[in-house]
Amino acid sequence: SAVISQKPSRDICQRGTSLTIQCQVDSQVTMMFWYRQQPGQSLTLIATANQGSEATYESGFVIDKFPISRPNLTFSTLTVSNMSPEDSSIYLCSVGKYNEQFFGPGTRLTVL
Amino acid sequence: QKEVEQDPGPLSVPEGAIVSLNCTYSNSAFQYFMWYRQYSRKGPELLMYTYSSGNKEDGRFTAQVDKSSKYISLFIRDSQPSDSATYLCAMMGLTGGGNKLTFGTGTQLKVEL
Repeated sequence: SAVISQKPSRDICQRGTSLTIQCQVDSQVTMMFWYRQQPGQSLTLIATANQGSEATYESGFVIDKFPISRPNLTFSTLTVSNMSPEDSSIYLCSVGKYNEQFFGPGTRLTVL
Repeated sequence: QKEVEQDPGPLSVPEGAIVSLNCTYSNSAFQYFMWYRQYSRKGPELLMYTYSSGNKEDGRFTAQVDKSSKYISLFIRDSQPSDSATYLCAMMGLTGGGNKLTFGTGTQLKVEL
């Protein structure tokens, strides 16, 4: 398995601002993922972040809105840019080990 | 139609009951099947992981996969109040999507004393 931490655990932000979420893993992993979980809905993959390459975004998500960094094998950031109330959600990072994925505790974001 | 369908519940059972949680799916490319447990205000925790068809048992939990019917189940025996959580099924294919997981919406379970 893997121990994953996220910062911040929660935040309340104003419309139009940006928030950067950090994800730290206790071991080196190749694949990291960012998900969004909205109330009553499935977890939705935003992007896959592999170290040394550009993040791969899923349909409906773009780099300008959700820029991702992956500077090394234990760390990644997701920025939610120019936020609107529709971005209020839980954002989760996960790591892939073999064919299993392990999740962090999530960042609960509220946009006013 | 969603790729993965899961009854959102809520499902309420008495302590000690056998719980059956289910998901159906439409994508025949899915080969890996997972069940996650998510407590309120926590991240999903990997509970069971199964490759292809068959059964897998871990303590009070049994995962079943029937690929011919595109149907997976999670059984919880002797359910406890601590099992109260949302259970998410997730699936992954061998090709194309890499390690991309497709999730159900989750079933909320409450085990009552």
